Amino acid sequence: EVQLLESGGGLVQPGGSLRLSCAASGFTFSIYAMSWVRRAPGKGLEWVSAISGIGGSTHYAGSVKGRFTIARDNSKNTLYLQMNSLRAEDTALYYCASNCVGDCYSDFQHWGQGTLVTVSS
Amino acid sequence: DVVMTQSPLSLPVTLGQPASISCRSSQSLVFSDGITYLNWFQQRPGQSPRRLIYKISNRDSGVPDRFSGSGSGTDFTLKISRVEAEDVGVYYCMQATHWPLTFGGGTKVEIK
Repeated sequence: EVQLLESGGGLVQPGGSLRLSCAASGFTFSIYAMSWVRRAPGKGLEWVSAISGIGGSTHYAGSVKGRFTIARDNSKNTLYLQMNSLRAEDTALYYCASNCVGDCYSDFQHWGQGTLVTVSS
Repeated sequence: DVVMTQSPLSLPVTLGQPASISCRSSQSLVFSDGITYLNWFQQRPGQSPRRLIYKISNRDSGVPDRFSGSGSGTDFTLKISRVEAEDVGVYYCMQATHWPLTFGGGTKVEIK
């Protein structure tokens, strides 16, 4: 059974940093592209970032480019999202989701339960 | 960026009646390989999103056959043939053809 378990969320001040993790199990994590998606309070889903299976390709939404960095450690079956220069508008529930094999990002078949990030002074 | 426009924003439905959600993209979602990467997701209250439909019309395993997807190019539709209580939630379309990937704003389905 595929499982994705996010962690690392919390309360952080504007301008601060946070690193989210997503522990994966139940599938061959190393060959699958992965994504982060968020849902701000009262708003809809927003795709944030994606990384290819090997990790050679990364993609970002314009709203986070230059501030967020996606990475993965295939030896630990873990996906990361390093978030710097956080803003109030980054407050959201952050989900990790599996994509497809290699450099393919259309899938989104499996999702974690989410981790809450609150940016506030 | 490709803008995904969903309508309606809110959809009150009587149990057992059909429901239809429209999703329009600001440009064609046909990829260079000829495939249209258009997904539909359901997010029930307090739950994570769940994929219902991929590549316009392919239903995921375990998704009731009352859900169906159709469309082409820039115009897509999710239909529920007979709404049940468990269908309450927010529905999103999402395109994975162009970077950045984008979601529609969501349609909230509720029971009248």
